[in-house]
Amino acid sequence: GAGVSQSPSNKVTEKGKDVELRCDPISGHTALYWYRQSLGQGLEFLIYFQGNSAPDKSGLPSDRFSAERTGGSVSTLTIQRTQQEDSAVYLCASSNLKAGYNEQFFGPGTRLTVL
Amino acid sequence: GNSVTQMEGPVTLSEEAFLTINCTYTATGYPSLFWYVQYPGEGLQLLLKATKADDKGSNKGFEATYRKETTSFHLEKGSVQVSDSAVYFCALTVNYNQGGKLIFGQGTELSVKP
Repeated sequence: GAGVSQSPSNKVTEKGKDVELRCDPISGHTALYWYRQSLGQGLEFLIYFQGNSAPDKSGLPSDRFSAERTGGSVSTLTIQRTQQEDSAVYLCASSNLKAGYNEQFFGPGTRLTVL
Repeated sequence: GNSVTQMEGPVTLSEEAFLTINCTYTATGYPSLFWYVQYPGEGLQLLLKATKADDKGSNKGFEATYRKETTSFHLEKGSVQVSDSAVYFCALTVNYNQGGKLIFGQGTELSVKP
């Protein structure tokens, strides 16, 4: 079956522009996560969705970062007024908490480069 | 706070050598422990997991035992192959059954030479 998909795979933007990153989780997975992978910081948690609500958004680094999830499925991570330090690979993961089992399945990531 | 520390890489081994990648953790409560692997050009994949003390996770010839007394979860494989070349991440979550976020170590790059 289809895994977690993310788009775009690569995004190059200029400093100060807004970007939107999209995640399509595995069908039926109730939980969705965003992480960021960068050379200096390793793999960092950003935000977690259960259904359409976000019980844990403690990892969002600033108020320039926001995310939403609609219909319990697709999620969009938005970064406003991008900065060079936002350059990283943004990873999305989903899991099926209904099964009482939290194996997180990761997408291939979106590589964001801010010039 | 909760954190994971793993040995720095890169680690370079010859094919059929024994592999150990050390991982130690600090956590409040009772964490679940994981090893994820990232092959070149691919996404993160769960390699193995252990959800309570003394559990042994195993997959593809890799093993790791949850050691509460030493707060460790070292990854081992008896005979590595070139195809095992990848970056390995140790991780924990403290809310396994409640959608808990993963906290990762910094990753260890393994290169296996023929």
